[in-house]
Amino acid sequence: QAVLTQPASLSASPGASASLTCTLRSGFDVGTYRIYWYQQKPGSPPQYLLKYKSDSDTQLGSGVPSRFSGSKDASANAGILLISGLQSEDEADYYCMIWHNSASVFGTGTTLTVL
Amino acid sequence: QITLKESGPTLVKPTQTLTLTCTCSGFSVTTSGVGVGWIRQPPGKALEWLTLIYWNDDERYSPSLKNKLTITKDISKNQVVLTMTNVDPVDTATYYCVHLNYASGTYEFDNWGQGTLVIVSS
Repeated sequence: QAVLTQPASLSASPGASASLTCTLRSGFDVGTYRIYWYQQKPGSPPQYLLKYKSDSDTQLGSGVPSRFSGSKDASANAGILLISGLQSEDEADYYCMIWHNSASVFGTGTTLTVL
Repeated sequence: QITLKESGPTLVKPTQTLTLTCTCSGFSVTTSGVGVGWIRQPPGKALEWLTLIYWNDDERYSPSLKNKLTITKDISKNQVVLTMTNVDPVDTATYYCVHLNYASGTYEFDNWGQGTLVIVSS
């Protein structure tokens, strides 16, 4: 079982909001990790979006629209990437990431379709 | 402006050793608070972090691949080199060089190279 599990795909309509989850495997407490999010469009390298540990410890990457934000659901042991006001350009793959024991771990990735 | 450019062979035979070079510009690989690493992505699959070298030569490796990987720096050329031994077709992937900025205390890969596709096949 992967350390970070993401839904393989998600669809949402333009103008709507999308909530992308990143569930941590049992034994990994989401409360102790800073979750990083990356966006990858077809044929391009990933781009850093934001990091989230708590509402007081979060930051958007340079040039990232404020439509993107992070949160956590402690009850589900998951990190969440929220995208509001969806646009066609948000159609991409999204990856979460954590650092564990000085090693980086990526999630399984979610393909977001905006239609 | 930070840029990273990967270079190396496109085709490698199984059991051979793969060497990839990341040429960095816009920063020095010896600057405090900087790291350079490698991440790969098999075709149609997820990202996988491989390794990282910090400005002070501290090295980190993926636990599952540490026996296959070596990361080094060439300070004179401002390059970072990844060596992977005994490659297998499952190592076929696009390999990305990444810049890690941790001067602020958080560890994001804020700049990525365009990637280089490596195919392992006989």
